[in-house]
Amino acid sequence: DSGVTQTPKHLITATGQRVTLRCSPRSGDLSVYWYQQSLDQGLQFLIQYYNGEERAKGNILERFSAQQFPDLHSELNLSSLELGDSALYFCASSSRGDTQYFGPGTRLTVL
Amino acid sequence: GQQLNQSPQSMFIQEGEDVSMNCTSSSIFNTWLWYKQDPGEGPVLLIALYKAGELTSNGRLTAQFGITRKDSFLNISASIPSDVGIYFCAGLLFKAAGNKLTFGGGTRVLVKP
Repeated sequence: DSGVTQTPKHLITATGQRVTLRCSPRSGDLSVYWYQQSLDQGLQFLIQYYNGEERAKGNILERFSAQQFPDLHSELNLSSLELGDSALYFCASSSRGDTQYFGPGTRLTVL
Repeated sequence: GQQLNQSPQSMFIQEGEDVSMNCTSSSIFNTWLWYKQDPGEGPVLLIALYKAGELTSNGRLTAQFGITRKDSFLNISASIPSDVGIYFCAGLLFKAAGNKLTFGGGTRVLVKP
C-alpha cells in the first residue's frame, strides 16, 4: 500500500459527459501528479500540483483540468468525454518532488 | 524533450533464471527509479537510485545508477512466477520550474509457456 488513495476505482460513462477523479496523497506529501495510461501504453504525465498551486503541465488536453485543495487532496476533471479518453488515470504524490508513489488508479470507460 | 529507451520491450522468463533490463537516455538524470506494474494496478516503487554509480538491492532485485547518469539497469535474480508484470524505469530531473519524471516504455516480463 503506497498510502495514496484514489476514488472511484472504476467509472463508466458516456461520450460528452463530465467526470471528476479524486486523489488523496500520502500523509505529508505536498506534490500531486496526474498520469494517463491507455491500454498497453506507458504513463503519460498530465499535470503536477504543489501545495495547492499548479507546478508543471504535461500532455493535458484543454478539456481536462485539475486542482489541489487546502487539505492537499486533488481532483482531475475530465469534460466532453470522448471514446479515446478511456484509460487508467493514476495519481502520484511526493514529499520533496523526488520519488513518486502511485495510487491504485481509476479505470475510466467511455461508451 | 528527454527520451528514455528501455529494453527489452518484452521478455520471457523461466523460473529460476536471472533477467536483466536497462534504460538509456541522451540526457542526464538526477535520480533513477524502477517501478513494477501488475495489470490494472498502479506502479509500485521497487528501487530508487540517487547517486551516480550507486548499486542498490531490494531482495532479489538489484539496480544501478550509471556512472554517466544517462543509464540504469535492473536485474532480477532467480525469477519466480510473481515477477511477471511490466517494469518501468523513470528518470527524474531536478528543475526550478518543477522536477520532471520521464518514464521508459516498459519491459513486459512474461512466463515461458
